Amino acid sequence: GAGVSQSPRYKVTKRGQDVALRCDPISGHVSLYWYRQALGQGPEFLTYFNYEAQQDKSGLPNDRFSAERPEGSISTLTIQRTEQRDSAMYRCASSLAGGRDTEAFFGQGTRLTVV
Amino acid sequence: AQSVTQLDSHVSVSEGTPVLLRCNYSSSYSPSLFWYVQHPNKGLQLLLKYTSAATLVKGINGFEAEFKKSETSFHLTKPSAHMSDAAEYFCVVSDRGHTDSWGKLQFGAGTQVVVTP
Repeated sequence: GAGVSQSPRYKVTKRGQDVALRCDPISGHVSLYWYRQALGQGPEFLTYFNYEAQQDKSGLPNDRFSAERPEGSISTLTIQRTEQRDSAMYRCASSLAGGRDTEAFFGQGTRLTVV
Repeated sequence: AQSVTQLDSHVSVSEGTPVLLRCNYSSSYSPSLFWYVQHPNKGLQLLLKYTSAATLVKGINGFEAEFKKSETSFHLTKPSAHMSDAAEYFCVVSDRGHTDSWGKLQFGAGTQVVVTP
């Protein structure tokens, strides 16, 4: 597609339910990143992939959070047993090959609300 | 470790007047620095980036930023504000020298810009 696509755009879920957030990166982009943005704050790094390999998951807050990118394209961020503190905007970004100076293109995000 | 401090959470300017958004950073290695803009209900868009070439960086929409290593600053400026510049702006740092961390962008808390007629 023309840009990074995230779905759903909005998700309301009940506490304790699992949610899966999807990211479809720009075609051909090698690297894919997940960030979380709480209200009034800047995005915080969660994890990133080069192709299908998860390179760094140090930003995942706990073991309820996981991410995968099995075929090196679409990625899913899964949150198990959601809690109210998980409510935030979840942003995905992608970039070309892993050069340090490469620009990351961001999607519009998924607004998650846990009630 | 890397971090970013945006010194102003809100900036209000009149249309046609200069804009200054202040950013200080700390980095263990040689950093790459970016400014992103976020308009309501839209994704983050890259305004400009510094990656160790010229210290004065020109970006889109008339914005520019100057990398000052001695002051660890990367302030964003625009000579004349336009109504369409109303948005949230994020200063971002990435450690270029640490091969495992370049994918981690460290965002500042953001500066909300209001432009009045």
